Amino acid sequence: GNSVTQMEGPVTLSEEAFLTINCTYTATGYPSLFWYVQYPGEGLQLLLKATKADDKGSNKGFEATYRKETTSFHLEKGSVQVSDSAVYFCALVTMNRDDKIIFGKGTRLHILP
Amino acid sequence: DADVTQTPRNRITKTGKRIMLECSQTKGHDRMYWYRQDPGLGLQLIYYSFDVKDINKGEISDGYSVSRQAQAKFSLSLESAIPNQTALYFCATSDSGRAYNEQFFGPGTRLTVL
Repeated sequence: GNSVTQMEGPVTLSEEAFLTINCTYTATGYPSLFWYVQYPGEGLQLLLKATKADDKGSNKGFEATYRKETTSFHLEKGSVQVSDSAVYFCALVTMNRDDKIIFGKGTRLHILP
Repeated sequence: DADVTQTPRNRITKTGKRIMLECSQTKGHDRMYWYRQDPGLGLQLIYYSFDVKDINKGEISDGYSVSRQAQAKFSLSLESAIPNQTALYFCATSDSGRAYNEQFFGPGTRLTVL
């Protein structure tokens, strides 16, 4: 079946550090891949997406590249800010429209000033 | 105004009580979902509905029921609440007309069962 595995947290970094949160997936067919972010006290919101191999999703300084050969979609940011502190979820959905979205377990990120 | 709203935002109840969590959306989406979030476990799908007459069980439907009263409304009921149903509950919507299943989430309901 389809699944998403992402690195366990919490991840603690200092402001302006480089961030990588690893995500790998298992899927039949050709999934679309997402990163969602959950700020404290809020619901999830879409951060970025990629719908085919080699696509790069980007938003708010975050980037992730769809790597079909390594079945990965790692989230990166060159210089994190305190306001990036949140929980990040990697997710996938296959192109079958009746398929549900599959989420990873989430990675909590703490940024220290 | 928020596109996906949930009521109540917080609820404390006692074991054995029946409670209902409500979700409304103004996005015009046909699909709606209920998730449960527990620390360290990510999101687990409880029920989902692809339209008003199409309701399906998710991974953890035992102890829960749902009602899709209209395209814009999807409620979740706990028939007899128990303490291990204490969690954060999220409603989400999506549009089947999109090429990919991006979901839009409500702000969540924090439920405590004593």
